[in-house]
Amino acid sequence: DSGVTQTPKHLITATGQRVTLRCSPRSGDLSVYWYQQSLDQGLQFLIQYYNGEERAKGNILERFSAQQFPDLHSELNLSSLELGDSALYFCASSASTTGNSPLHFGNGTRLTVT
Amino acid sequence: AQSVTQLGSHVSVSEGALVLLRCNYSSSVPPYLFWYVQYPNQGLQLLLKYTSAATLVKGINGFEAEFKKSETSFHLTKPSAHMSDAAEYFCAVSEGNTGGFKTIFGAGTRLFVKA
Repeated sequence: DSGVTQTPKHLITATGQRVTLRCSPRSGDLSVYWYQQSLDQGLQFLIQYYNGEERAKGNILERFSAQQFPDLHSELNLSSLELGDSALYFCASSASTTGNSPLHFGNGTRLTVT
Repeated sequence: AQSVTQLGSHVSVSEGALVLLRCNYSSSVPPYLFWYVQYPNQGLQLLLKYTSAATLVKGINGFEAEFKKSETSFHLTKPSAHMSDAAEYFCAVSEGNTGGFKTIFGAGTRLFVKA
């Protein structure tokens, strides 16, 4: 058990809809990262937050947004969903923002857009 | 931007045989390198990380990796494969600055272990 909790585990929704994915980091970790995993794109970095502030951005679409709250949990909002957004979305946390700090992953939220 | 390339999307070995999963990195500065493993329906777990303290890094479950700067490689090995090693393995490099880092993952190598 990594200590990172993601909800829900599965989400099925229709094109054009909006969903919110939630992540609670490991106790004591201040950094939260979001990744998208799909068969064709592999594991893609979306965004990183540290103690409530955005710190690094990857290939995150404008339709997607995230935030980290004062209690350090994070939410990833996906809007105007398209079929291609179907993927496994992972949250990971780490103790700091240093490059050698390993990531601790949750078990992911599987999003299916129909 | 830094990147990692994993050679071979699938590797198949017999139980008890040597496991060798290849990873090459591109970086103009000493990199932060990692190997992660993903079992079905789970998130990634850290196997080991390169800290520059030693070129041979030992990880969990009997895995180790050797950092070779001259070859820009960080291959993962295990002397004797076990059925429970069947999983997907990801090499990763971290890039950024004191403001924030992002970990970039390779495409992954799926390891099959035959009885």
